[in-house]
Amino acid sequence: DSGVTQTPKHLITATGQRVTLRCSPRSGDLSVYWYQQSLDQGLQFLIQYYNGEERAKGNILERFSAQQFPDLHSELNLSSLELGDSALYFCASSTLTGELFFGEGSRLTVL
Amino acid sequence: GDSVTQMEGPVTLSEEAFLTINCTYTATGYPSLFWYVQYPGEGLQLLLKATKADDKGSNKGFEATYRKETTSFHLEKGSVQVSDSAVYFCALSDLTWNAGNMLTFGGGTRLMVKP
Repeated sequence: DSGVTQTPKHLITATGQRVTLRCSPRSGDLSVYWYQQSLDQGLQFLIQYYNGEERAKGNILERFSAQQFPDLHSELNLSSLELGDSALYFCASSTLTGELFFGEGSRLTVL
Repeated sequence: GDSVTQMEGPVTLSEEAFLTINCTYTATGYPSLFWYVQYPGEGLQLLLKATKADDKGSNKGFEATYRKETTSFHLEKGSVQVSDSAVYFCALSDLTWNAGNMLTFGGGTRLMVKP
């Protein structure tokens, strides 16, 4: 158990819909990262937050957004979903310069 | 930008065989290097790491040496077990970049070990 909790574990929805994925980091970790894992793109960095503020942005689509709340949990919002958004979405947390600990992921299926 | 290249899988070995998974990288700064492992249905777990040139990371019988001259970080294990079957990811973190310690991953290599 990494200490990082992601919900939901599985999600099935239709094209055009919007979903929210939630992540609770390890106790004491201020940084949260979101990654997308798909068969054709591998593991892609989406975005990082540190203590509530966006710190780095990767290959995140404009239809996607994220935020980190005062209690340090984070949410990834995916809207106007397309078939190609079907993937495993991982959250990870760390101290600013320490090891990343990954959650078990949220598997999104868009039909 | 930073990038990591891994040998493509799947790699299929018999139990007790020697394992090598190649990993090379490009980075503008002085990266730390990592191997992560993903077992079926689970998230990624850190397997080992090295933070500077010539460092050797090791864990659970796996080893990798940070070779700056060849920009490589190959993963090795002398005798694999069925329980080692998983997907292995090489990754780097360039702490000189003003973005915390975001990891850049390779494409992953699936290892299958047969009894």
